[in-house]
Amino acid sequence: DAGVTQSPTHLIKTRGQQVTLRCSPKSGHDTVSWYQQALGQGPQFIFQYYEEEERQRGNFPDRFSGHQFPNYSSELNVNALLLGDSALYLCASSSSRVNEQFFGPGTRLTVL
Amino acid sequence: GNSVTQMEGPVTLSEEAFLTINCTYTATGYPSLFWYVQYPGEGLQLLLKATKADDKGSNKGFEATYRKETTSFHLEKGSVQVSDSAVYFCALRGMDTGRRALTFGSGTRLQVQP
Repeated sequence: DAGVTQSPTHLIKTRGQQVTLRCSPKSGHDTVSWYQQALGQGPQFIFQYYEEEERQRGNFPDRFSGHQFPNYSSELNVNALLLGDSALYLCASSSSRVNEQFFGPGTRLTVL
Repeated sequence: GNSVTQMEGPVTLSEEAFLTINCTYTATGYPSLFWYVQYPGEGLQLLLKATKADDKGSNKGFEATYRKETTSFHLEKGSVQVSDSAVYFCALRGMDTGRRALTFGSGTRLQVQP
């Protein structure tokens, strides 16, 4: 079992650019959640996808958007990057039946 | 809304010392409570959980008891090892988000010296 995988591992962008991060859930999981973890802070919930739809959203602007594919994998898109978007982005997958979230290793985004 | 407050770190202990990391929470209803651990360069791993009042979660020698009267979920371990050095996050999953989103504390770094 590969667990939750994320790509890329690291990414460097400049202000104003757009970025796409990818997540493959653990086998048997159908729900994907995204979190932003700033340096020295706890993760903050961005949104959750189930059945290819966003069903819960945290306090993040519309610049943050996502998508879930029929194979349950997911993408996080961030437009018009700001310096403050620099963080570790964590993907967590879960089963709609069990609801325990398993986290991937994260993507470290640096915005210059 | 929901919130989690953890004691600030770093917590520095000698090997075999007793560990307590305090965690208190604010939430409506009856949230589920969790402790996650993050080793350097890695994502979060679930350490233990409790889903109702007076439940005790335990794993790898760590324990935490869900105390609704004090809204607390303190993490304890009787004898820490160098390999326990990591950042520990207390978290809850509350009714107001349909039990979908986790709310985390800011984390407590534990450093265990040999």
